[in-house]
Amino acid sequence: NAGVTQTPKFRVLKTGQSMTLLCAQDMNHEYMYWYRQDPGMGLRLIHYSVGEGTTAKGEVPDGYNVSRLKKQNFLLGLESAAPSQTSVYFCASSQLWGISYNEQFFGPGTRLTVL
Amino acid sequence: DAKTTQPTSMDCAEGRAANLPCNHSTISGNEYVYWYRQIHSQGPQYIIHGLKNNETNEMASLIITEDRKSSTLILPHATLRDTAVYYCIVRLPFSSNTGKLIFGQGTTLQVKP
Repeated sequence: NAGVTQTPKFRVLKTGQSMTLLCAQDMNHEYMYWYRQDPGMGLRLIHYSVGEGTTAKGEVPDGYNVSRLKKQNFLLGLESAAPSQTSVYFCASSQLWGISYNEQFFGPGTRLTVL
Repeated sequence: DAKTTQPTSMDCAEGRAANLPCNHSTISGNEYVYWYRQIHSQGPQYIIHGLKNNETNEMASLIITEDRKSSTLILPHATLRDTAVYYCIVRLPFSSNTGKLIFGQGTTLQVKP
């Protein structure tokens, strides 16, 4: 199993350009998440999904859109990139085990720079 | 979800136990304590979680005080590979919040030879 993979690993954009980050998981997990991490800070939740065809906003959703057309994929889109979106983006997935246990599995991250 | 307070950084000698504290004085009765770590900008990795009782797995032990207002993550024999940022996270049961994790700034643990 590859676990959680993210494409691309690195990307440099100019202000105003658009792009899509792809997250894929092969663990048949229902739940998927997109986080961003700025230097010296913890991760902040952008959007998440509790199942195929569903999405919801997290802490910092502005400037991003997401789609979950297939259970195994979760796409994060930037329609018009801004320098403030320079960050490392992490995707994660999880599955419900009982009522409490919820280990999130994280991808390796995408390092995005917006000039 | 309850807020947590952790020291910004800690050092530990290789081979010794690393004890990482976390305060969560506003924790409610059904909130769990989770620990994750992040090694050198990789994706975070789950370590352990607990509700009331002390927990142990192959990676670490989690000691939760009786009043549940604080906890300690123990790495029994720290190695250089344990150098990482450790996050203490308190959250509701999965069924109550869709599994969202709220990360603070964590504790940077430096294991020294």
